[in-house]
Amino acid sequence: DAGVIQSPRHEVTEMGQEVTLRCKPISGHNSLFWYRQTMMRGLELLIYFNNNVPIDDSGMPEDRFSAKMPNASFSTLKIQPSEPRDSAVYFCASSLQEYGYTFGSGTRLTVV
Amino acid sequence: AQSVTQLGSHVSVSEGALVLLRCNYSSSVPPYLFWYVQYPNQGLQLLLKYTTGATLVKGINGFEAEFKKSETSFHLTKPSAHMSDAAEYFCAVSEGGGYQKVTFGTGTKLQVIP
Repeated sequence: DAGVIQSPRHEVTEMGQEVTLRCKPISGHNSLFWYRQTMMRGLELLIYFNNNVPIDDSGMPEDRFSAKMPNASFSTLKIQPSEPRDSAVYFCASSLQEYGYTFGSGTRLTVV
Repeated sequence: AQSVTQLGSHVSVSEGALVLLRCNYSSSVPPYLFWYVQYPNQGLQLLLKYTTGATLVKGINGFEAEFKKSETSFHLTKPSAHMSDAAEYFCAVSEGGGYQKVTFGTGTKLQVIP
């Protein structure tokens, strides 16, 4: 299994631009999570899906952030418009039941 | 609500010395507990987990952790530190029973001194 696959690995964009981060979870996993990691705030859960349905999006910072999971093998996290304070590493993770998460390698986003 | 407290954001040990990383949790139901490790520029990797049963849990790379309900603790240990153990370690808790939302601690960076 290739694990959780995130793309791109690095993204540099200008303030105000739209950014789309992508995630392919492990086949058979029924839950998917998006996290943001910064030095100041650590790991923050943004949103998680169970069986493709958003269950808890209380961590999404504001309306500029949106996430979708159109099918069991793909999810996106979109930021529109992006701001410098969105600069962080964004992780996707998937899991099956309570057996622990498998994390992707992350997308390092820099908004200039 | 569940929460995790990791004591010490930075821990330094000498190579060959005991590693002890502390974690205390709060949960309204019997918890599921996890330790993850993060190497630079990588995602988090599961080290070990406790769900039910034996309270001493062994993980990868020689690490182990003991669930102590009376102390609400789940400390991570390794008898002899290697240079390759230098990384950031995260303790995490979930309320289990299929509820998969996991709450992470703030992390402890382990430095191994040669």
